[in-house]
Amino acid sequence: DGGITQSPKYLFRKEGQNVTLSCEQNLNHDAMYWYRQDPGQGLRLIYYSQIVNDFQKGDIAEGYSVSREKKESFPLTVTSAQKNPTAFYLCASSITGTESTDTQYFGPGTRLTVL
Amino acid sequence: AQSVTQPDIHITVSEGASLELRCNYSYGATPYLFWYVQSPGQGLQLLLKYFSGDTLVQGIKGFEAEFKRSQSSFNLRKPSVHWSDAAEYFCAVVPNQGGKLIFGQGTELSVKP
Repeated sequence: DGGITQSPKYLFRKEGQNVTLSCEQNLNHDAMYWYRQDPGQGLRLIYYSQIVNDFQKGDIAEGYSVSREKKESFPLTVTSAQKNPTAFYLCASSITGTESTDTQYFGPGTRLTVL
Repeated sequence: AQSVTQPDIHITVSEGASLELRCNYSYGATPYLFWYVQSPGQGLQLLLKYFSGDTLVQGIKGFEAEFKRSQSSFNLRKPSVHWSDAAEYFCAVVPNQGGKLIFGQGTELSVKP
């Protein structure tokens, strides 16, 4: 089955530690995205990538980093510089990332809790 | 500022009753419009989308949405709600000049027996 997988589903880390969230897709989509979701808020874009080896900052990139070495993978690192990292993180992908009619499809999410 | 507004934070309806979730946007031209649903602790699932053409759009799970240009709205409807529809619903837009997907804050739907 084609889709987007995120792992792990739940992640606990101590304050000050970096942590990497995994996102993999087998939809052959060019574009991938990372969003953060906090209770009572919509989704906010952290980073996105329209092509391998290239990515752009979203609205709340501070304290996060990404890489895009393979088309199917777009890992997100939450660094110790992120002041309030506890949140639900969602990965998405779309065919091109350049067309306005592009539709984004989402993974199941990773809930990160920093203790 | 350009934005997407879902005026209702939380709605409760009885099972079998009709449902309408509101979404308004403040972009000048017609954006591309989406509705997503999120069950607790899960990712987002696309319900339906509008790009052009017929302003009444049919989606999955018996949902439909109507685009009204004059009201800058894209309200989601379902004639008869099932208990399994309890979830959070997000309206999202892409401004037609391109750019990122912009989400509303979401409406949480509760269904009572």
